[in-house]
Order: sequence, then C-alpha cells, then structure tokens
Amino acid sequence: NAGVTQTPKFQVLKTGQSMTLQCAQDMNHNSMYWYRQDPGMGLRLIYYSASEGTTDKGEVPNGYNVSRLNKREFSLRLESAAPSQTSVYFCASSEGQQEKLFFGSGTQLSVL
Amino acid sequence: KQEVTQIPAALSVPEGENLVLNCSFTDSAIYNLQWFRQDPGKGLTSLLLIQSSQREQTSGRLNASLDKSSGRSTLYIAASQPGDSATYLCAVTTSGTYKYIFGTGTRLKVLA
Repeated sequence: NAGVTQTPKFQVLKTGQSMTLQCAQDMNHNSMYWYRQDPGMGLRLIYYSASEGTTDKGEVPNGYNVSRLNKREFSLRLESAAPSQTSVYFCASSEGQQEKLFFGSGTQLSVL
Repeated sequence: KQEVTQIPAALSVPEGENLVLNCSFTDSAIYNLQWFRQDPGKGLTSLLLIQSSQREQTSGRLNASLDKSSGRSTLYIAASQPGDSATYLCAVTTSGTYKYIFGTGTRLKVLA
C-alpha cells in the first residue's frame, strides 16, 4: 500500500550541481505532477504529465526538466542547481485530469 | 488570474469545539475544489473533493461546502480533537486544465 514514493527525502547540493528527484506510484494513475512548496507561497506546479509519453510545463518550470519514464515513474531533474531552488518538492498523481490528488512525502532540498 | 486565499493563517481552539476553516477564490469558474490536510514534514492528504455542480461533501466529522457565486468554500470540523492538528489547504482547478491553484493554508492547533 505504498501509494506515491519519492526519493531522496533530504538532499543538500552546492550551486551548479545537478540531481534527479525520483517518483513512483503504484496506483496505476495516468497523471503525475511535480510541485514545490515554499513558505508563504503555497504549492506551485513545476511540470505535469497528463499521461504516459506526455509532459507539460506548469507555473514555474524554469531550471527544471522532467521525464515520464513509464506509467509508474516521473522524475524531476535540476541541471544546474541554484539557491532559489531550495524548497520542498512534492510528487503527486491522479487517475485523470482534475481527479483526487495523491501526494508523496516530499523531498527537502537545500542548495548552498 | 485565479488566486486562492485562506484566512486565518493560524488558529488555536480547545478540544471539542466545532470550527470552520475558510477558503476564498477570485474566479468563480472553477471545475472542482479539494481540501487537503498536511502534517509537519509530510505530504498532503486529500480530505474532500467538491465538483462545481455540488454544494457540499461530507466525510466523518468533516463537511466541506462550496458557494461558487461568492467564491468561497468552508471546511467544517465537528468536535475537534488534538489529532486534527495540522495545516489545512484548499485548491481549485478550472475546466480544461491540470493545474490546481493552492491556498497557503490554515495551521490548526487543537488544545487538549
């Protein structure tokens, strides 16, 4: 009964380093999302994948890339990390568009 | 541009009290609205989803109402318990989009 699993839970990077956040869901959901949560700003959508094989930009896509590896997995890559990308990152999934969202437990990322 | 506001940002109540959390949105052309709970250091859990054609949804001690014309939703929690302490967020989406717009949440503390 895992739901949405994110790795890693914590990460510290230096400015300019790259990394990939991993996300997998076991609910056979079609849609997957990456959000970031910053104090006082709520959650903001970075990228989403409506279905396997498609990805689209959200509100704040600059500095990020995504890959929908298969129906289960959706990864988020930071090519050259910047301090402004210090945040908590959440992966989410839903059965379809505008359905109930299921969230992972988050990745706390600090960029020094 | 849709904006979602939740006031107050924080609330403390004694155990057993019935309480109401508020969510306001600026564009009434929403498709649905979700209420979420977030515990410290955890992801979000969807509590209730209200379609735009519905007026309310209930789950246990929780009741969420929706008034599109006034741009408001309320989450009613009956007989509050210390275990209800968490941050509660609302999010709205409009037709034809995958993008949920989140409020910044109300941090609730129920005192034993």
